[in-house]
Amino acid sequence: KAGVTQTPRYLIKTRGQQVTLSCSPISGHRSVSWYQQTPGQGLQFLFEYFSETQRNKGNFPGRFSGRQFSNSRSEMNVSTLELGDSALYLCASSRDGTYTDTQYFGPGTRLTVL
Amino acid sequence: AQKVTQAQTEISVVEKEDVTLDCVYETRDTTYYLFWYKQPPSGELVFLIRRNSFDEQNEISGRYSWNFQKSTSSFNFTITASQVVDSAVYFCALSEWKRNTPLVFGKGTRLSVIA
Repeated sequence: KAGVTQTPRYLIKTRGQQVTLSCSPISGHRSVSWYQQTPGQGLQFLFEYFSETQRNKGNFPGRFSGRQFSNSRSEMNVSTLELGDSALYLCASSRDGTYTDTQYFGPGTRLTVL
Repeated sequence: AQKVTQAQTEISVVEKEDVTLDCVYETRDTTYYLFWYKQPPSGELVFLIRRNSFDEQNEISGRYSWNFQKSTSSFNFTITASQVVDSAVYFCALSEWKRNTPLVFGKGTRLSVIA
């Protein structure tokens, strides 16, 4: 069974630009969560989607948004990029959408904002 | 509020040594789940174990073992006879069942195994 895939793996953008990251969950998994990982803040929850609905959102500004499609694939978008948005963005999928269910992570997208 | 503390920031051991990574958690929920993930240099978080709060049996999987003690709110991870391939950052995480809260991760412990 294929794991969680994320594209692209690396991105370099400049301040003020916007970016879209993509995540394809494990087949059969309906929940997709996004996390931001930085050296200073560690792993922080961004938001979670289940059956195309955002069910939970972390403490991030409105510049961070996402969506989920009917095939469970998800995208996240960051508008008006800031230097502090440089991070590893990880996507995770789980089968039943409860947070106590095991989440399986993708390889991440490393975003660098110059 | 839920919290996970991994007090060891970095650990360095020589190959074949045993090493224990500590994890202490805080939660007000009586039903919760604890996880360990491994993050090699490639960046992907690899799932290692999931344990619910009602199952205090220790678990062994090959060279890996986990010691869950509710009395001290700890869920420690031991690698026996460490190998260079074990070098990675290890994260402990907690999720509360009743509140269905997103995973909260510890800051991670960077393990370096030297040949």
